Amino acid sequence: DTAVSQTPKYLVTQMGNDKSIKCEQNLGHDTMYWYKQDSKKFLKIMFSYNNKELIINETVPNRFSPKSPDKAHLNLHINSLELGDSAVYFCASSQGGQGDSPLHFGNGTRLTVT
Amino acid sequence: DAKTTQPPSMDCAEGRAANLPCNHSTISGNEYVYWYRQIHSQGPQYIIHGLKNNETNEMASLIITEDRKSSTLILPHATLRDTAVYYCIALFYAGNNRKLIWGLGTSLAVNP
Repeated sequence: DTAVSQTPKYLVTQMGNDKSIKCEQNLGHDTMYWYKQDSKKFLKIMFSYNNKELIINETVPNRFSPKSPDKAHLNLHINSLELGDSAVYFCASSQGGQGDSPLHFGNGTRLTVT
Repeated sequence: DAKTTQPPSMDCAEGRAANLPCNHSTISGNEYVYWYRQIHSQGPQYIIHGLKNNETNEMASLIITEDRKSSTLILPHATLRDTAVYYCIALFYAGNNRKLIWGLGTSLAVNP
């Protein structure tokens, strides 16, 4: 009963392809996130959704399009993949709004673009 | 633009306490200090957080200085499974907008 689950765990694809990563949380949280961890291990937020509404979009190229069909799911679609998109992508969730609830992370999707 | 600074690496003997320092001299009054860790190839795991007071849970203790410019995460009896990268982060709230700015963390090696 994994709290935050992402699929696939590994994704190898060629430049120019379109791919999607799925994320689901069963914690009942109302806020979900996508983070990117590059080769230098920096974790950087990409998007945040609260109750299916986008609340953070951190200067991410518009080739990246998040979609939240309901508050338990946040998927990431990437068009026209580039070499620089190779990274580990982490999904996370929290109980947003007031208060200080911590983030719960999935185990990541390692994307390799060749 | 990380708001926290940590030593890049530390060693600790198994069974001893691991004390991980963090400087956050520019932290604001409403910014929490969070600690996460990342074990190789896994997602970051929440450890503990605090605002002003010291905090303790089943994983660790967090000691925050009175001026809030630094803090220390204490793992009281480190085990080999505690080997990980530990991140100290300041969290800022603006309504529903929560931003965690991550640095490079401290790579803790627990040695047998």
